[in-house]
Amino acid sequence: DQQVKQNSPSLSVQEGRISILNCDYTNSMFDYFLWYKKYPAEGPTFLISISSIKDKNEDGRFTVFLNKSAKHLSLHIVPSQPGDSAVYFCAASARRTSYDKVIFGPGTSLSVIP
Amino acid sequence: KAGVTQTPRYLIKTRGQQVTLSCSPISGHRSVSWYQQTPGQGLQFLFEYFSETQRNKGNFPGRFSGRQFSNSRSEMNVSTLELGDSALYLCASRTSFADPTQYFGPGTRLLVL
Repeated sequence: DQQVKQNSPSLSVQEGRISILNCDYTNSMFDYFLWYKKYPAEGPTFLISISSIKDKNEDGRFTVFLNKSAKHLSLHIVPSQPGDSAVYFCAASARRTSYDKVIFGPGTSLSVIP
Repeated sequence: KAGVTQTPRYLIKTRGQQVTLSCSPISGHRSVSWYQQTPGQGLQFLFEYFSETQRNKGNFPGRFSGRQFSNSRSEMNVSTLELGDSALYLCASRTSFADPTQYFGPGTRLLVL
């Protein structure tokens, strides 16, 4: 049972344009969401997070939007750069419960074309 | 602050052998989690340790085990290796289980022949 889903395994975007990566979740107890970026042969690095009390969080070129009613979040990268080419993982946690392990989605591979 | 370190970085074993992987968390981080990454499967949660106690466990067979020491360092052991155990094993640390933000090590690439 996949509680965190990233339905697009890959995405290609032209340099300078917007990249939108999507993530859906099924567990309504999730109240904290994170995005990680992973280059080959490296561990994932934390990118940005959002609490369920917010619907938007911004950090430079990266913005995460949360739609709780749809159980959907998205990561926007504007403008996209070739160095953004990596696998992006969405993750979720239910901090208010004892079920507080972090669950990761399968990842979306982003290619930014120069 | 030094990041999460994992040793060894690469490992080749044969079926039936056992392997032990090591992880040193960021100083001050008391929670250590282990994940398995295989192509197309994302990050599969193995287990999490906090203060030398296993707090959470994923859906892996008993051949996968772990432990945490008093200095928060953690080891993961896989016994009776199978070909399907070939994967990147990632360790992540966080300050406590109340903090969802984890920091990952570079991983150990295990190849089972």
